[in-house]
Amino acid sequence: GAGVSQSPSNKVTEKGKDVELRCDPISGHTALYWYRQSLGQGLEFLIYFQGNSAPDKSGLPSDRFSAERTGGSVSTLTIQRTQQEDSAVYLCASSLDGSFSPYNEQFFGPGTRLTVL
Amino acid sequence: QQPVQSPQAVILREGEDAVINCSSSKALYSVHWYRQKHGEAPVFLMILLKGGEQKGHEKISASFNEKKQQSSLYLTASQLSYSGTYFCGTASGGYQKVTFGIGTKLQVIP
Repeated sequence: GAGVSQSPSNKVTEKGKDVELRCDPISGHTALYWYRQSLGQGLEFLIYFQGNSAPDKSGLPSDRFSAERTGGSVSTLTIQRTQQEDSAVYLCASSLDGSFSPYNEQFFGPGTRLTVL
Repeated sequence: QQPVQSPQAVILREGEDAVINCSSSKALYSVHWYRQKHGEAPVFLMILLKGGEQKGHEKISASFNEKKQQSSLYLTASQLSYSGTYFCGTASGGYQKVTFGIGTKLQVIP
């Protein structure tokens, strides 16, 4: 079936504007993850969903960042009052469930490149 | 706490071998290895669990030393297609988040 998809692929916004990034996980995957990838910083964990609930929001960098997931499927990451330091590639991943087992790898989407001017 | 990867970058000729190391200051439940080619999404390579279970792709092998909280990824007889950035991720629980290192950039040249 189709892999993880994200939209938009690129987003350029002005400082202070709000942005919404969307993730469509693989059908049937109950776990969904958001990561941020800045130059030279690796993959920074933001938030994890199991179904529609988010048991781990510890990686959200500030209260300007929020995320939701509806219907156990699509997730939206919202960044309010964007700042230049928010510029990065935002990656979404999904897995069958949230457990770490040999049968439960994370599948990543292509990412959204966010540029804040 | 972010795991530490070494080396940060390596250049290989086709057919050569390489080892990428990953170490953590925390007790680990699992280690995850992913490869990301330029402009593409990270792709799963290996998962190693405390207790010895592991799953990965052919031609890729890895070790997990639970006592030392270290893992190593072994790339043998490298091919041009092995080029990319290799990320090690670690988790301290069965359902917790994976914390990734900053990556090891590997380039294989003819």
